[in-house]
Amino acid sequence: GNSVTQMEGPVTLSEEAFLTINCTYTATGYPSLFWYVQYPGEGLQLLLKATKADDKGSNKGFEATYRKETTSFHLEKGSVQVSDSAVYFCALSRNTGGFKTIFGAGTRLFVKA
Amino acid sequence: DVKVTQSSRYLVKRTGEKVFLECVQDMDHENMFWYRQDPGLGLRLIYFSYDVKMKEKGDIPEGYSVSREKKERFSLILESASTNQTSMYLCASSLVVQGNTGELFFGEGSRLTVL
Repeated sequence: GNSVTQMEGPVTLSEEAFLTINCTYTATGYPSLFWYVQYPGEGLQLLLKATKADDKGSNKGFEATYRKETTSFHLEKGSVQVSDSAVYFCALSRNTGGFKTIFGAGTRLFVKA
Repeated sequence: DVKVTQSSRYLVKRTGEKVFLECVQDMDHENMFWYRQDPGLGLRLIYFSYDVKMKEKGDIPEGYSVSREKKERFSLILESASTNQTSMYLCASSLVVQGNTGELFFGEGSRLTVL
């Protein structure tokens, strides 16, 4: 079946550090891949997405590249800020007569000033 | 701006009570979903709906039911709340158009505590 595995947290970084959160997936066919972010006290919101192999999604300084050969979609940011502290969810979606989205367990990021 | 609104941010209920969680979206989306979020488990799909009066079970439907009488409203019902249903409940919606990738729009969540 379809599944998403992402690195366990929490991840604690100092401001301006480089961030990587690993995500790998298992899916049949060609899913779309997403990163959602959940800031404290809020629901999830889309951070970025990629819909086919070798696509790069980017937003707010974050990037992730759809790697079909390694079934990965790792999230990166070159210089994190305190305001990036949140929980990050990797997810995949396939149209199986209607979209169903599968989420990873989430990775909590703390950024210290 | 698109919006998904969940009626209650925080609820405290007693074991055995019937609980209604309401969700309304103003984007004319066909698809609506209910997830529960628990630490270390991510989001798990409870029920979803592709159209009015239509519903399908997700991965963890036991102990829950849903109602979709109008396109914009999707309700989650706990017929007899139990302590293991203490959780954060998230409603989401998405659009059905050709080429759509299934992006979800979420409400802010309803944190339910069952005593």
